[in-house]
This record gives sequence, structure tokens and C-alpha cells, in this order.
Amino acid sequence: IQLTQSPSSLSASVGDRATITCRASQAIARYLVWYQQKPGQAPKLLIYSASTLQSGVPSRFSGSGSGTDFTLTISSLQPEDFATYYCQQINGYPLTFGGGTRVEI
Amino acid sequence: EVQLVESGGGLVQPGGSLRLSCEGTGFIFSSHWMDWVRQAPGGGLEWVAHIKQDGSETYYLDSVRGRFTISRDNAKNSLSLQMNSLRVEDTARYFCARVSPVLGRTFDVWGQGVLVTVSS
Repeated sequence: IQLTQSPSSLSASVGDRATITCRASQAIARYLVWYQQKPGQAPKLLIYSASTLQSGVPSRFSGSGSGTDFTLTISSLQPEDFATYYCQQINGYPLTFGGGTRVEI
Repeated sequence: EVQLVESGGGLVQPGGSLRLSCEGTGFIFSSHWMDWVRQAPGGGLEWVAHIKQDGSETYYLDSVRGRFTISRDNAKNSLSLQMNSLRVEDTARYFCARVSPVLGRTFDVWGQGVLVTVSS
């Protein structure tokens, strides 16, 4: 299953709303996960089951979608949110990731 | 504190072998599926291999099947990745990742990764 993320990068300011999309090549119900990765660090789990926030993740992050189209939204960007975001499908093996979206100032 | 720590990376020539290890602490290692994920320099994430709690079930990325072997030693809280016939395109940072016991095939804990460079 291929995952296509868009955009590959986006420039935004603190306080802006950011939206990232992830499209699957076939339906995956809600078996979609979002991770955040900062330079030099391991990825961090943000959202699972397409829309459920992992414990400790700020409520400005939200996820939606099912089937083939998914969205990650950051309602008001904070300085610590500038990072790269990846979607991942967990519908079956091989597990696959989207190409990533770099959110930069 | 729940933690995963990888070791064993380094520089190896094409065709060579390397064995990566990952030690888990702060949780019941034997209760979790475990996986390896890699990231080429400047690139995205790529899932590599998976192993069930008791080692009875494994899955591999097509491009590494037959060359890489994932294994675990629950008595030592340890995960391994034996990499043979290495290729330049295997160059990457390799992360071990814990699969959440309640969230399906979701990685809820990651190590910091270890760098593998395949070059002559």
C-alpha cells in the first residue's frame, strides 16, 4: 500500500493553521498513524486510529479521515511544532510510511 | 523509564555483514511485538522487519528478505537484526521500535537509532 503525503513541505508562521494530507493507494479503514520527527531525534507517536491523540499530545493536533484520505491538522502552530510529519498505514505488511511533510518557518 | 537502546552500527563494505542489537528496559520486553525501521540520510522512514513476542512469526521488507534476519532473546530483553550481503542502498539509521500492545501495529516507543554505512 503506497501512501502519498502532500505537501512535501510547507512554510508557515507561529499561530498559523497547518494541514497535511495522506492518501492511500487502497482503502485502509482507519488504520492510519501519524508521527512527528525533529532533526536528530526518533519519531514520536502523535495520532493513532486516524484520529485518536496519543497521551500527552497537545489538543491543537487533530486527525481525520478513513478509507483512502486522511488529514493531520495543527490548529495553531507553535515553535516546537516545526518538524517533519509522517503518516503510516498499519493495515497490513509490509507496513509503509508516507514520504513526509516538512513544516518549516 | 521505558527505553530502547540500539548498538552495533558502523561502516561496512558492500557484501559485508553487520549485526544490530537493541536492548529494552523499563517494560516487559517479552510482551511486545518488535520491529526495525530505517531512515536513509535525508530520507523518509522505511519499515524493515517485524517479530512476534515469542519469535514464532516474522515479516520482512521485500528488498531485505533473505539477507536480513530479525531475532530476539526475551531472557536478555534484546532484539537483533543480522544483516548480510549488505548493499550501498542499505545505508541508513536503523531504529528499533516497540509495537503498542493495544494500538495494533503502532510504534509507541522508539530507540534513538544506530547508523549503518555501506561503502567501499
